[in-house]
Amino acid sequence: GESVGLHLPTLSVQEGDNSIINCAYSNSASDYFIWYKQESGKGPQFIIDIRSNMDKRQGQRVTVLLNKTVKHLSLQIAATQPGDSAVYFCAEKGSGGSNYKLTFGKGTLLTVNP
Amino acid sequence: DAGVIQSPRHEVTEMGQEVTLRCKPISGHNSLFWYRQTMMRGLELLIYFNNNVPIDDSGMPEDRFSAKMPNASFSTLKIQPSEPRDSAVYFCASSPDGTPYGYTFGSGTRLTVV
Repeated sequence: GESVGLHLPTLSVQEGDNSIINCAYSNSASDYFIWYKQESGKGPQFIIDIRSNMDKRQGQRVTVLLNKTVKHLSLQIAATQPGDSAVYFCAEKGSGGSNYKLTFGKGTLLTVNP
Repeated sequence: DAGVIQSPRHEVTEMGQEVTLRCKPISGHNSLFWYRQTMMRGLELLIYFNNNVPIDDSGMPEDRFSAKMPNASFSTLKIQPSEPRDSAVYFCASSPDGTPYGYTFGSGTRLTVV
């Protein structure tokens, strides 16, 4: 998994498997979290978000889980496809006077093998 | 919607030269962010504009960096003089209201200073 400030970890999976990407965040006061996907040569693209009053949120083939007790986020991708190969970032929204700011993790490189 | 538009996509320049990166936010978004992405430090916020006014420039590395937003549809990030350590991918993002909800990134400018 990843944590803000650590080197880029990697995850390699077979096509059709489920993928789980983890993230530890630092600000216990943050109330909003986002997962982004970044493909080579492109900007980060929104995948799914979750507010702190939720533990789980589902999208199309993706699920985000939030554990506020241990300040941990995870992104689950079902039936991973080659097109899912990318770097995945979690981001936490700032709190108080910094609520405009997103703090990003270093990212996890997901490689899907056909 | 064309999204956030950045130019140029790639820039190669010699040390000491001035570099200007350009960004057109999504129409109707009142907030604009410049980020820098490197392998070592990940995605870092450089500066945040709200209604064309710089609100937070604490991430700007040093006086060699400057950013302007003369109107709601255009922003520039200038580096003068450029140094090899400025080599990175620079992203512009915009949001409707200064919060991360609806954050959209451009495709970035890859800057190489030789």
